[in-house]
Amino acid sequence: EAGVTQFPSHSVIEKGQTVTLRCDPISGHDNLYWYRRVMGKEIKFLLHFVKESKQDESGMPNNRFLAERTGGTYSTLKVQPAELEDSGVYFCASSQGIGTGDTQYFGPGTRLTVL
Amino acid sequence: GNSVTQMEGPVTLSEEAFLTINCTYTATGYPSLFWYVQYPGEGLQLLLKATKADDKGSNKGFEATYRKETTSFHLEKGSVQVSDSAVYFCALSDRRGATNKLIFGTGTLLAVQP
Repeated sequence: EAGVTQFPSHSVIEKGQTVTLRCDPISGHDNLYWYRRVMGKEIKFLLHFVKESKQDESGMPNNRFLAERTGGTYSTLKVQPAELEDSGVYFCASSQGIGTGDTQYFGPGTRLTVL
Repeated sequence: GNSVTQMEGPVTLSEEAFLTINCTYTATGYPSLFWYVQYPGEGLQLLLKATKADDKGSNKGFEATYRKETTSFHLEKGSVQVSDSAVYFCALSDRRGATNKLIFGTGTLLAVQP
């Protein structure tokens, strides 16, 4: 069974540009999460999809960030326009359910550098 | 709100040394607790978990016990190997309604020397 995949693995862009990150969850997982780790600090929750619906987007930092999950399969996270403080590692995770027995499986992350 | 406090790193040990990485939490209710590990160049992997008080999670020689009285979930291993070098993250589940996000500590870098 394929794990969570993310693309690209690295992205270097200039301030003001746009970047789109992609996440493919484990097949059959309805729940998809985005997290990010900035500057070696803690990993912070951004948002949670259940199928194609945003269940919780309380962690999204501002309106420069837009997440979508068309058809309830893969998800994209767009940053437009990017700022220096957006640099960090963006992780995607997926799970079958949200109960205590459900594990969130993480992808390898996308390292974003904004110059 | 809910939070996780994890010991600062880096932690440098010699092979076969005993490892403890401290983790304490603040939470309402009874969250599940996790240790995730990130090996160099890889993504986060679940190392172990515990879903209720006094549960012990264990995997690959690592153990952690859910201590409600001290709000702790310290990670231990009796004899570390070079291959255990990685960043370790303590986390709790924050389940509210129909969402269940993870709240992480800052991570602890472990370097094991031969």
